[in-house]
Amino acid sequence: NAGVTQTPKFQVLKTGQSMTLQCAQDMNHEYMSWYRQDPGMGLRLIHYSVGAGITDQGEVPNGYNVSRSTTEDFPLRLLSAAPSQTSVYFCASSYSGGTGEQYFGPGTRLTVT
Amino acid sequence: GDSVTQMEGPVTLSEEAFLTINCTYTATGYPSLFWYVQYPGEGLQLLLKATKADDKGSNKGFEATYRKETTSFHLEKGSVQVSDSAVYFCALRHSGNTPLVFGKGTRLSVIA
Repeated sequence: NAGVTQTPKFQVLKTGQSMTLQCAQDMNHEYMSWYRQDPGMGLRLIHYSVGAGITDQGEVPNGYNVSRSTTEDFPLRLLSAAPSQTSVYFCASSYSGGTGEQYFGPGTRLTVT
Repeated sequence: GDSVTQMEGPVTLSEEAFLTINCTYTATGYPSLFWYVQYPGEGLQLLLKATKADDKGSNKGFEATYRKETTSFHLEKGSVQVSDSAVYFCALRHSGNTPLVFGKGTRLSVIA
């Protein structure tokens, strides 16, 4: 049971480039989400999904796209990277029922130059 | 909307000192409350949780009690160790289909 996995661990992009951050979980969790963590800002929710085919925006969705075609995967796409998107990105998942605890991946550190 | 407020850090303590990190929340209804911990260079891990009023969550010597009357969920540990140095996040959630709402985090440094 690998839990929540994220790839890549580190990435450097130039302004205007696009890329996809991968997130996968093997716990059959319905709920998945993406956060970004900036110094002094805590975690801010980008997008989330309550199941395959269903996504919704969080607090800071601009510049990011998501889709959820399977229960296991929830990729985050940056269509045209900007320096303001330099951050550490965390994916998390949980069961829809139960006590609501979320399980976090190890993070992707992204630098946009 | 819902919100979580934590004491500002950083907090620096000597080994074996008593730790309190204050957390208060604003929310409708009866959310579940959580403390997450983030060690340097890692993702967040659940430290403890409480799902209803007066519940006490505990783990690794840390404790927190869900106080509905004061809307608080303060984190305590009787004797901290250097290995407890990390960032601690207080959070709330209404259900498994709604987002976690985080506080801004409190950095704890424990010195030998």
